[in-house]
Amino acid sequence: DAGVIQSPRHEVTEMGQEVTLRCKPISGHDYLFWYRQTMMRGLELLIYFNNNVPIDDSGMPEDRFSAKMPNASFSTLKIQPSEPRDSAVYFCASRTGRLSGNTIYFGEGSWLTVV
Amino acid sequence: AQSVAQPEDQVNVAEGNPLTVKCTYSVSGNPYLFWYVQYPNRGLQFLLKYITGDNLVKGSYGFEAEFNKSQTSFHLKKPSALVSDSALYFCAVNYGGSQGNLIFGKGTKLSVKP
Repeated sequence: DAGVIQSPRHEVTEMGQEVTLRCKPISGHDYLFWYRQTMMRGLELLIYFNNNVPIDDSGMPEDRFSAKMPNASFSTLKIQPSEPRDSAVYFCASRTGRLSGNTIYFGEGSWLTVV
Repeated sequence: AQSVAQPEDQVNVAEGNPLTVKCTYSVSGNPYLFWYVQYPNRGLQFLLKYITGDNLVKGSYGFEAEFNKSQTSFHLKKPSALVSDSALYFCAVNYGGSQGNLIFGKGTKLSVKP
């Protein structure tokens, strides 16, 4: 079975440019999560969706960040304008069901460098 | 507030020796506890989880973890370490509410030397 698919795997962009990260969750999973990983702050939950609806976006750093999930098989995380401090690894993850004990599966991540 | 602590930034063990990576948690209610492993330049891979039942949980690659409610701990163990076990290990908790997200520890770097 295909896992969580993220693109691009690596992105280098200049400060001020728009960055769009993409995610395809595992088929049948109705929860989708966006995490950010940095050396300083570790893993942070940015936002998560249930049945395509954003449930908790309290982790989104500021208005420059936005996330959408137009359908059950696709989500985007957009940064506009990007800044050097946004450099991090961004993970998308998904899980199924309402039981909070169900396992969350991660994609391979999008490595973002803003110069 | 819900939290997870991994008290060791790094654990060093010799190949063939037993290993332990520590995790303690603080949650209200019944916790669901997870261990993930991250190899360099890769995503997080699920190792094992505790939901209910037997306190000793067995997972992938020969790892196991013991849930101890009185000590609020969920330490990861392996009887005989391999060099290929060297990676970053994360403990995580979902406190069983309806929100469904995980709270992660800071991670522990495991280094296994030949």
